[in-house]
Amino acid sequence: AQKITQTQPGMFVQEKEAVTLDCTYDTSDPSYGLFWYKQPSSGEMIFLIYQGSYDQQNATEGRYSLNFQKARKSANLVISASQLGDSAMYFCAMREPITGGFKTIFGAGTRLFVKA
Amino acid sequence: GAVVSQHPSRVICKSGTSVKIECRSLDFQATTMFWYRQFPKQSLMLMATSNEGSKATYEQGVEKDKFLINHASLTLSTLTVTSAHPEDSSFYICSASIRLDEQFFGPGTRLTVL
Repeated sequence: AQKITQTQPGMFVQEKEAVTLDCTYDTSDPSYGLFWYKQPSSGEMIFLIYQGSYDQQNATEGRYSLNFQKARKSANLVISASQLGDSAMYFCAMREPITGGFKTIFGAGTRLFVKA
Repeated sequence: GAVVSQHPSRVICKSGTSVKIECRSLDFQATTMFWYRQFPKQSLMLMATSNEGSKATYEQGVEKDKFLINHASLTLSTLTVTSAHPEDSSFYICSASIRLDEQFFGPGTRLTVL
């Protein structure tokens, strides 16, 4: 069963506008973490933002904010004031405990296109 | 942020040969390292999780005898693709973590098996 779902294969946004990338997750464990990563065409994975399941406030990092709706199990990424350099693949990921440690799994990704 | 390196960045090999990929955490000691595989235009698929000094935990469907993982120290993990075949051609990415809210990725290794 899909545990991390990103329903938007591609998104377009006008430069300087805000865009929301959707992510829903499924876990029965009360302790988990949610990440967003950016992957440009070079292939590197760039960490953007993290939200812990017990965090009371939504995480923010510069132009990135995470809209954490715990009851709905959603963790949408909001990018404000989009820039041309934001064009890339964006992955939502969830870390959950396993026996002896933890693991992080990824959603299918959303390709963001920023238009000039 | 912390730095994770991978070597080699790109490798081309003949079918049937074995390829070793190294993953190093350069400025921190990683208690846990992850290996992912990414096919073109697809997401990262977790292959295995390894903790220093113990056997790796493989994801369902990943052959542990084909993808050998050795996490010999807190700064080094290796992935060996044994008897590689063209279907093993992919982008392999390692990741290291010391805290629950941090996970750093290497630059990836592009493997092409002819």
